[in-house]
Amino acid sequence: GQQLNQSPQSMFIQEGEDVSMNCTSSSIFNTWLWYKQEPGEGPVLLIALYKAGELTSNGRLTAQFGITRKDSFLNISASIPSDVGIYFCAGVKNTGNQFYFGTGTSLTVIP
Amino acid sequence: DSGVTQTPKHLITATGQRVTLRCSPRSGDLSVYWYQQSLDQGLQFLIQYYNGEERAKGNILERFSAQQFPDLHSELNLSSLELGDSALYFCASSAHPTNTEAFFGQGTRLTVV
Repeated sequence: GQQLNQSPQSMFIQEGEDVSMNCTSSSIFNTWLWYKQEPGEGPVLLIALYKAGELTSNGRLTAQFGITRKDSFLNISASIPSDVGIYFCAGVKNTGNQFYFGTGTSLTVIP
Repeated sequence: DSGVTQTPKHLITATGQRVTLRCSPRSGDLSVYWYQQSLDQGLQFLIQYYNGEERAKGNILERFSAQQFPDLHSELNLSSLELGDSALYFCASSAHPTNTEAFFGQGTRLTVV
């Protein structure tokens, strides 16, 4: 299937630091989504992006839809321990509304 | 709580067996998606239903099938199970078939022994 590459694969940061992660693809997507998954839970939608170049915030989270439509970025400012989890990007093409998920970025916040 | 309910939470079964996973979407959502999450493959889209009809198909094996019932709940049937089918199976729902804001259930962890 479609492969979306996320980087970094994992991050260990101090509480209060900012975090950046990105997602790249060889294909164009019309929508980019960012999800967070905690152990034993399903992914939770954080941010949805619908237009190339769009920058959207949700509290301390900011995500951008890349101009080429082949990438997206997620930033978390002033990280806190509850930010711990795995962050997934997902690209959506109009056709069939199929979601393609990234490989995930595991975030650990050290108090 | 996303409002999407999946049962059972855990399932352990033997190779060659058949199991059924159940999903109740959020109230009012007409579209249901099934995903498989394994360590080596990540989250893989399996199939989508909208108002009882198949809408999109992903990497779903022929041994797997799904359906959505008139009350909008959905079932994913997995047959002739193999060790490699061990994974987390997630259901997600959204209001419309093209609504990309899908909400996920807590998943069913299937272990095939």
